[in-house]
Amino acid sequence: EIVLTQSPGTLSLSPGERATLSCRASQSVSSSYLAWYQQKPGQAPRLLIYGASSRATGTPDRFSGSGSGTDFTLTISRLEPEDFAVYYCQQYGSSPMYTFGQGTKLEIK
Amino acid sequence: EVQLVESGGGSAQPGGSLRLSCAASGFTFSSYSMNWVRQAPGKGLEWVSYISSSSTTIYYADSVKGRFTISRDNAKNSLYLQMNSLRDEDTAVYYCAEAYGGNFEYWGQGTLVTVSS
Repeated sequence: EIVLTQSPGTLSLSPGERATLSCRASQSVSSSYLAWYQQKPGQAPRLLIYGASSRATGTPDRFSGSGSGTDFTLTISRLEPEDFAVYYCQQYGSSPMYTFGQGTKLEIK
Repeated sequence: EVQLVESGGGSAQPGGSLRLSCAASGFTFSSYSMNWVRQAPGKGLEWVSYISSSSTTIYYADSVKGRFTISRDNAKNSLYLQMNSLRDEDTAVYYCAEAYGGNFEYWGQGTLVTVSS
């Protein structure tokens, strides 16, 4: 079973700053099947990044994804007030069929 | 516009049953595989079950295998989750989600299931 570990658990930053979120897999993950989601309180998750680095429709270009193998990163170049939320990475392809990381909470400092 | 609307959540006692439904619109439902994903209160996301477009392939998370049954009715554009032998740890918001290319692109708003005596 592939386990995704996200770090840090909580990230405290100010608007305008750069955010770097990490997702580490216990085994190699196909880059084609690594995604990132944003979730705000009371809302369903929203797909931000798929294929490790491709922005989903409507994702602002301040969001970027990178990485391969077991190490993946979501970067937000300049934080906007609406970016403060919980972020999850997710992989597809190994039993169980889909797994999520435990999430990183991005909070306003 | 793609819409997924879950219903059927509510309260149940341990050992009880509930049936969730998800009504889909705005896309060709019969062409897409579907999933259920849940989120316990204050916790992260957990994939629950997958069903292929024609129902020929079905998968479950180990945590629900043997207790939950996923199904769909393409004529009614609907997805279902029959949940039996419910446990306290099944308490969660349950989302239906369309997954294309391994990503959950579209999600419903979720329906809350509470299991408690």
